[in-house]
Amino acid sequence: AQSVSQHNHHVILSEAASLELGCNYSYGGTVNLFWYVQYPGQHLQLLLKYFSGDPLVKGIKGFEAEFIKSKFSFNLRKPSVQWSDTAEYFCASEGAYTGRRALTFGSGTRLQVQP
Amino acid sequence: EPEVTQTPSHQVTQMGQEVILRCVPISNHLYFYWYRQILGQKVEFLVSFYNNEISEKSEIFDDQFSVERPDGSNFTLKIRSTKLEDSAMYFCASSEAGGIASYEQYFGPGTRLTVT
Repeated sequence: AQSVSQHNHHVILSEAASLELGCNYSYGGTVNLFWYVQYPGQHLQLLLKYFSGDPLVKGIKGFEAEFIKSKFSFNLRKPSVQWSDTAEYFCASEGAYTGRRALTFGSGTRLQVQP
Repeated sequence: EPEVTQTPSHQVTQMGQEVILRCVPISNHLYFYWYRQILGQKVEFLVSFYNNEISEKSEIFDDQFSVERPDGSNFTLKIRSTKLEDSAMYFCASSEAGGIASYEQYFGPGTRLTVT
C-alpha cells in the first residue's frame, strides 16, 4: 500500500524567505509524484509533477521539486515566497505503470506568508 | 481555461437520507474520480470511472455509494443512506484518457456534505 507523509503541518514565513516543504512516500514500485496547492476558497490545483527523467522538476509560480529516489522524497521548494503563496500544499503519489490512477495524498502543509 | 464544476457547494442532509452530488468534468476528459476529505484528515480516494464503469474503488466505497454518468456531461456520486461519518468535503476530478496526460487530475471546488 502507498502512503505519503508531510512532516510540516503549518509553516509561517515572511515574504522573500525561502521555502522547503518535505514529502516522503512509501511504495514498493515506481511512482508518479505530484504537488497540489489549494488557495483559500479555491480548488486543488496541480503545481508540478514528476513521472520520469530529470529529478528536478519545475512547476508554476516559481515552484520546483526534487525527486530523490534513495530518500523516497519529493520536497517542494521556492527560493522567495510571496504573500500570495499563502495556501495549503498537498503532496500526492500514484503507482506508475500500474494502470491505477488513485492518488494517495499527504496530510497537507498549511503555509502562511506574512507581509 | 476549462474547469471541473460541482453542485451543490454545500449540502445538508439528515442521517439516513439519500444524497446525490453532481460534477461536470472537463469536456474532453474520459477518466472521472471522486475523493473525499473529512475535516482535519487527508484527502482520500473513493472511486475512478472510465468507459461507463468503475475502474477502481477504495475500501471506503462500499455498497452505500454508487456513481453514474447519466448523460454526456454529468458525473454523479450517490450515497444511499447517509451516516454522520459521511460528513466531508467531496471532490470530483477528471483527466484525459491515454498517455501521460491521463495522470494529471483536475479537481473541482468540492461539495461540503453535512449529515445531521
